[in-house]
Amino acid sequence: NAGVTQTPKFRVLKTGQSMTLLCAQDMNHEYMYWYRQDPGMGLRLIHYSVGEGTTAKGEVPDGYNVSRLKKQNFLLGLESAAPSQTSVYFCASSPNPGQGGGYTFGSGTRLTVV
Amino acid sequence: GQQLNQSPQSMFIQEGEDVSMNCTSSSIFNTWLWYKQEPGEGPVLLIALYKAGELTSNGRLTAQFGITRKDSFLNISASIPSDVGIYFCAGRASGTYKYIFGTGTRLKVLA
Repeated sequence: NAGVTQTPKFRVLKTGQSMTLLCAQDMNHEYMYWYRQDPGMGLRLIHYSVGEGTTAKGEVPDGYNVSRLKKQNFLLGLESAAPSQTSVYFCASSPNPGQGGGYTFGSGTRLTVV
Repeated sequence: GQQLNQSPQSMFIQEGEDVSMNCTSSSIFNTWLWYKQEPGEGPVLLIALYKAGELTSNGRLTAQFGITRKDSFLNISASIPSDVGIYFCAGRASGTYKYIFGTGTRLKVLA
């Protein structure tokens, strides 16, 4: 079982460049999430989706956009990268949390903006 | 954003020692989760707790859902070098579908 797959694993961007981080899950989960992880800050929610075609803002959404055109995919976009967006990005998916079970995380994308 | 208070922030222990860490919240939660993150990887679910007072084990790991529903505890017995990593708690309140994550406890085991 692949679970949650993130691509790419590493990326270096120049300030102002754009990119899209890809997340795919094969568990038929309804909910998907994008987090960033910075030293000493834990996991902070950027955006999330409660189903195909839906997206919502998390606690740190500025500078990011997302799309969930297909149930199995959740894309995170950076339109104009800034050094403050240097971080490790994790995608996660889950069934409806009210039904039990936790998040399944991908292995992360390490992004450096220079 | 709201985060859980997780302590300690880091621990250095000798191989074979037992480890205890905890997570506290100002809110009542219906579910507590404990995750482990190894270097270069995403967090992996260790234990899920759904009821106040519940005590659940996974090998050498034991976690408890606090009676007040505002805290949770994780114990690791007889630590080994592969226990190294960051341990995160996460809690979910009734009527919500998002989990709130703690800031993590970084564990290092000295052989």
